[in-house]
Amino acid sequence: GQNIDQPTEMTATEGAIVQINCTYQTSGFNGLFWYQQHAGEAPTFLSYNVLDGLEEKGRFSSFLSRSKGYSYLLLKELQMKDSASYLCAGLDSNYQLIWGAGTKLIIKP
Amino acid sequence: DADVTQTPRNRITKTGKRIMLECSQTKGHDRMYWYRQDPGLGLRLIYYSFDVKDINKGEISDGYSVSRQAQAKFSLSLESAIPNQTALYFCATSAGEFNQPQHFGDGTRLSIL
Repeated sequence: GQNIDQPTEMTATEGAIVQINCTYQTSGFNGLFWYQQHAGEAPTFLSYNVLDGLEEKGRFSSFLSRSKGYSYLLLKELQMKDSASYLCAGLDSNYQLIWGAGTKLIIKP
Repeated sequence: DADVTQTPRNRITKTGKRIMLECSQTKGHDRMYWYRQDPGLGLRLIYYSFDVKDINKGEISDGYSVSRQAQAKFSLSLESAIPNQTALYFCATSAGEFNQPQHFGDGTRLSIL
């Protein structure tokens, strides 16, 4: 079956760095998305990776290893507003998104 | 104004009632989606449409139906609501290319008593 695994919850300190991991098992693979979702709000797009390697966008970076079925989202210089859930979603061979349950990130002062 | 608008934002209703959730978009996207989100679970796809004449079942379509009235409008119906359909419902849109992100509405919080 198809599956996306990510930790349920993580805690980090303001100003620090945190890495949120995601492992995926999909029938075929056409890329991986990361979204941010603040409590009670809509998910918003952060990144898309289809090739191996690291892509950087300001304080946020996303990494993909296709051979390992693994991705991570790296958040630097954490701010209180980064407290949110981070959703990992893999695009399968039928171009359907398979969503993880999300990682709730708690930022402490 | 929001690019993807869902109405209503909140709804409380009783078991057995028919409910319609509406979604409209100004992004000009052909593809539209309906998801539900439950605590501890990922987003689950209910139905999706790649253009006005195209309707496809998603992972959990039982108990739901949809109508694509125009490129900009995609509505979700619960013919006879039951309590386990209590959830947060999201509409989303995307452009035609598969690597394009989905853009979500603000969600409809539906409670069925």
